[in-house]
Amino acid sequence: NAGVTQTPKFRILKIGQSMTLQCTQDMNHNYMYWYRQDPGMGLKLIYYSVGAGITDKGEVPNGYNVSRSTTEDFPLRLELAAPSQTSVYFCASSYITMDQPQHFGDGTRLSIL
Amino acid sequence: GQQVMQIPQYQHVQEGEDFTTYCNSSTTLSNIQWYKQRPGGHPVFLIQLVKSGEVKKQKRLTFQFGEAKKNSSLHITATQTTDVGTYFCAGFQAGTALIFGKGTTLSVSS
Repeated sequence: NAGVTQTPKFRILKIGQSMTLQCTQDMNHNYMYWYRQDPGMGLKLIYYSVGAGITDKGEVPNGYNVSRSTTEDFPLRLELAAPSQTSVYFCASSYITMDQPQHFGDGTRLSIL
Repeated sequence: GQQVMQIPQYQHVQEGEDFTTYCNSSTTLSNIQWYKQRPGGHPVFLIQLVKSGEVKKQKRLTFQFGEAKKNSSLHITATQTTDVGTYFCAGFQAGTALIFGKGTTLSVSS
């Protein structure tokens, strides 16, 4: 099993550009999450999904959008990139319930200049 | 809202010394989880504590959950260079998402 796969691993964007961070998992997990990690700030939840067709906002959703059309995929969309969105983005998944351990992807390192 | 505080933010030890990181929640938790993130890597789940006063061990790592289920600690005995990384606690309260602390970054010199 590949687990949670994120692409791309690195990306540089210009201010105002848009992009989609891809995330896919092959563990048949119900829950999927997107976090951002800034230096010394831990992990902040952007959006999460309890299953296909259902998404909900986390702590820092502004400037981002998500969709969950299948159990496996949970892409994160940045519509108008801003320097404040420079961060490391992690996708994660968990099985059945939200209190179960989370499995993380390798992350996407995004710089916006 | 719910907060999870973790101290210290950084800790440097000599190889062979012990290390402890502490986690405190502003609210009672259903469970607490611990993760380790190596430099440049992603968080990896270590353990989950559910019961009041629970103590679990993994080799040199000892995890405790407080009696009131509002605090937790991770203790590493005789640190090794392989213990380097950032240790996160994450608290779960029913009806909310997992809340991560800011982490304790451990460095070890040989």
